[in-house]
Amino acid sequence: NAGVTQTPKFQVLKTGQSMTLQCAQDMNHEYMSWYRQDPGMGLRLIHYSVGAGITDQGEVPNGYNVSRSTTEDFPLRLLSAAPSQTSVYFCASGQQGSYGYTFGSGTRLTVV
Amino acid sequence: AQRVTQPEKLLSVFKGAPVELKCNYSYSGSPELFWYVQYSRQRLQLLLRHISRESIKGFTADLNKGETSFHLKKPFAQEEDSAMYYCALRTPAQKLVFGQGTRLTINP
Repeated sequence: NAGVTQTPKFQVLKTGQSMTLQCAQDMNHEYMSWYRQDPGMGLRLIHYSVGAGITDQGEVPNGYNVSRSTTEDFPLRLLSAAPSQTSVYFCASGQQGSYGYTFGSGTRLTVV
Repeated sequence: AQRVTQPEKLLSVFKGAPVELKCNYSYSGSPELFWYVQYSRQRLQLLLRHISRESIKGFTADLNKGETSFHLKKPFAQEEDSAMYYCALRTPAQKLVFGQGTRLTINP
């Protein structure tokens, strides 16, 4: 039982490049989310999903796309990377009930 | 709108002293509140859920609906408690909304 797996752990991109951050969970959780973590800003919600085929925007969705074709996977796409997207990205999954979300180990992204 | 506020970005206490990390929330319904902890450069881990009223690693948190607070407390701080602490609220739409976090440092 791996929990929530994020790849890659580190990435450096040039401005304008695109890439996909991968997130997979093996707990059959309904809910999945992407957050970015920046100093002094806490964790801000980018996009989230309440089930396969259903996604919605969070607090800071601009510049990011998501899709949820399966319960297990929730990739985050950066369309055209900008230095402002330099951050640590966390994926999380959860289920109905009073349990919290389970987080992945994060992807540290630098855009130069 | 739902909002979580952690008024202290930094908190420093001595080992053995009591610790209180403040969390206030803004929410019109019955909140689901959590505390998460993040040790240096690691993933976030669930520390406490308000509904379970449990004590983890000596920490407790009580929901005060009148004051809209969910402060985290520990009577005697230990050096291994040094970490980043986040208070979070889960909405009926299953969004988890976080506060800005408090960096706790325990001095020897």
